[in-house]
Amino acid sequence: AQSVSQHNHHVILSEAASLELGCNYSYGGTVNLFWYVQYPGQHLQLLLKYFSGDPLVKGIKGFEAEFIKSKFSFNLRKPSVQWSDTAEYFCAVNGGSQGNLIFGKGTKLSVKP
Amino acid sequence: DAGITQSPRHKVTETGTPVTLRCHQTENHRYMYWYRQDPGHGLRLIHYSYGVKDTDKGEVSDGYSVSRSKTEDFLLTLESATSSQTSVYFCAVQGLNEKLFFGSGTQLSVL
Repeated sequence: AQSVSQHNHHVILSEAASLELGCNYSYGGTVNLFWYVQYPGQHLQLLLKYFSGDPLVKGIKGFEAEFIKSKFSFNLRKPSVQWSDTAEYFCAVNGGSQGNLIFGKGTKLSVKP
Repeated sequence: DAGITQSPRHKVTETGTPVTLRCHQTENHRYMYWYRQDPGHGLRLIHYSYGVKDTDKGEVSDGYSVSRSKTEDFLLTLESATSSQTSVYFCAVQGLNEKLFFGSGTQLSVL
């Protein structure tokens, strides 16, 4: 069965610090990978996605993620975070049967001004 | 954002009562989903639909049923609500390139 692990439950950073959120998945076949963000009081939005091609994917608001197939990882990065990046971030994987998108438990990011 | 509307936005109910949540979309997308979001669990799939009258169970389907009689509407029903079903419920629609669009969520409290 597919599963997604997000290593950090809560990350606290100061503004301008660099960010890396870990995401590992278990699935042996071809996968589609996603990062979603949920700002306080808002619904989920897509940050970026990987289907194929260049394993370094750039998303909105300066976020990027790198797919490393050998490590089954899809870590999210941002060189310099802002207070407005405070949110919860979800990694998700879709593999195998259509419609079976599996989410990680989420990582809460708090950025101190 | 695929024109997704969830209703109600907030609901407080008592244990044992039936509850129905509605998800409405305006763009005729085929796939629709119901998730629940709980602290420490992230998002978990309850049920999904791949067309009118075509639905399937997700990982936490016990205690829930769904119906899709029209493309635009996907209903989630709690036949007899329990306190463990207190959660935030998100509807999602799958658009092009498997991109998911989420509704704003329904906060359900079962007392």
